[in-house]
Amino acid sequence: DAMVIQNPRYQVTQFGKPVTLSCSQTLNHNVMYWYQQKSSQAPKLLFHYYDKDFNNEADTPDNFQSRRPNTSFCFLDIRSPGLGDAAMYLCATSRVQAENTDTQYFGPGTRLTVL
Amino acid sequence: KQEVTQIPAALSVPEGENLVLNCSFTDSAIYNLQWFRQDPGKGLTSLLLIQSSQREQTSGRLNASLDKSSGRSTLYIAASQPGDSATYLCAVKPGANNLFFGTGTRLTVIP
Repeated sequence: DAMVIQNPRYQVTQFGKPVTLSCSQTLNHNVMYWYQQKSSQAPKLLFHYYDKDFNNEADTPDNFQSRRPNTSFCFLDIRSPGLGDAAMYLCATSRVQAENTDTQYFGPGTRLTVL
Repeated sequence: KQEVTQIPAALSVPEGENLVLNCSFTDSAIYNLQWFRQDPGKGLTSLLLIQSSQREQTSGRLNASLDKSSGRSTLYIAASQPGDSATYLCAVKPGANNLFFGTGTRLTVIP
């Protein structure tokens, strides 16, 4: 029944060691999003894909990159994680970006710890 | 730039009480406003979506209102239950871009 799946649920990495987080969806939605949520803070959009078109938020650090090889999968790559990158990373999908009724469906998140 | 504020940051109520959560936003040019629920360590679940042309939406014990001109929304929860304990976030959709979230209200319903 799961619609937006994130793996792993918990990820521990070392300072500076590259890490990849995975998101997959069974909804066939054309838009996929990656959010970063630090403790007691609002989710913050990092980037999103509209089909294959990549849209980076202006204040997303260069350390964060993303890949979307097909409709179902999207990856978040953190090239050199710092202590400040420890957070919950949320993946979301939506069908169409601009409609009044558009809602986003979120995965359970990946909790990233940086040692 | 759009800013979303939620008050209070935390709220504890005894079971059975009715309660209101508040959300305010600075830019009224929005497509819609949504209320989400987040359980500890989990993702977000959409509760209600109010289109910019609508005034309110209801789902079960939940009722959300939107006053776009004043930049305010409320989420009313009737007859609260311990299972309602979670963080509630509101988010606005400014055009074809992303969602701007508030920091949430952490609700505890005491049995």
